[in-house]
Amino acid sequence: DAGITQSPRYKITETGRQVTLMCHQTWSHSYMFWYRQDLGHGLRLIYYSAAADITDKGEVPDGYVVSRSKTENFPLTLESATRSQTSVYFCASSESGTPTDTQYFGPGTRLTVL
Amino acid sequence: QKEVEQDPGPLSVPEGAIVSLNCTYSNSAFQYFMWYRQYSRKGPELLMYTYSSGNKEDGRFTAQVDKSSKYISLFIRDSQPSDSATYLCALGAYSSASKIIFGSGTRLSIRP
Repeated sequence: DAGITQSPRYKITETGRQVTLMCHQTWSHSYMFWYRQDLGHGLRLIYYSAAADITDKGEVPDGYVVSRSKTENFPLTLESATRSQTSVYFCASSESGTPTDTQYFGPGTRLTVL
Repeated sequence: QKEVEQDPGPLSVPEGAIVSLNCTYSNSAFQYFMWYRQYSRKGPELLMYTYSSGNKEDGRFTAQVDKSSKYISLFIRDSQPSDSATYLCALGAYSSASKIIFGSGTRLSIRP
C-alpha cells in the first residue's frame, strides 16, 4: 500500500520491557519524524531523520532510540518502557524537511505501559 | 511558558456557523504558520500554511496571521458536520528548519 504505515496500531506492555514501534513509507521521502501526542501537550517531536543513517534529537528524546538503515523505515525503540511513555505515537515523513514542506502522518500507535 | 498556546476546547457550534480557532505564540523567530486537522483516531493532515502576515483563503477556510501580536487564526465558513475534528496550529522557523512546534489542538464539534 502506498503511503505511510505504522505497526502495531495498539500495544500494551509492562514497565521495563523493550518495545519497538515500526514506521514504513513508500514515497522515498528523505525526512522522517517521530512524535508523541499527549493530552494538554499536543504533538512533541521525539527524533527525526534527514536521511538513512542520519538522525537527530527532538524535544523529548530521553528513553527512546531510533535507527534508519533504509530510507523507507524508521523504527522507534523504547529500551525500558516507563508509564510516562504511555501515549499515542505518530510517525511522519516529508520530502525536504523544510517547515513549508507537508509532513504526512501515519495512523498512529496507541501504546499503554502498565 | 509554552511556545504555542491553543485553547483545547471543546468547541461546539451549529452547522452553518462561522468558526474561529486561535493560537498565540511567544517566539518572534517563527515565520511559517500551519494548520493541521486531525480526525478521531487518525494522524494529522495539513490543511493550510502561510508565511506572511495577513489572510490566506482556501475554499471555506481562511488562515490569518498577525505577527505583531503573535496571533494566528483559522476561520471556517459555513461549517459542516464533516469539519468536526481537532485542529492543531503549527509553527516553524528558518533556524530550525526540520522542527515544527505544534499547539495542543482545539476539539471542534459541528452540530447538525
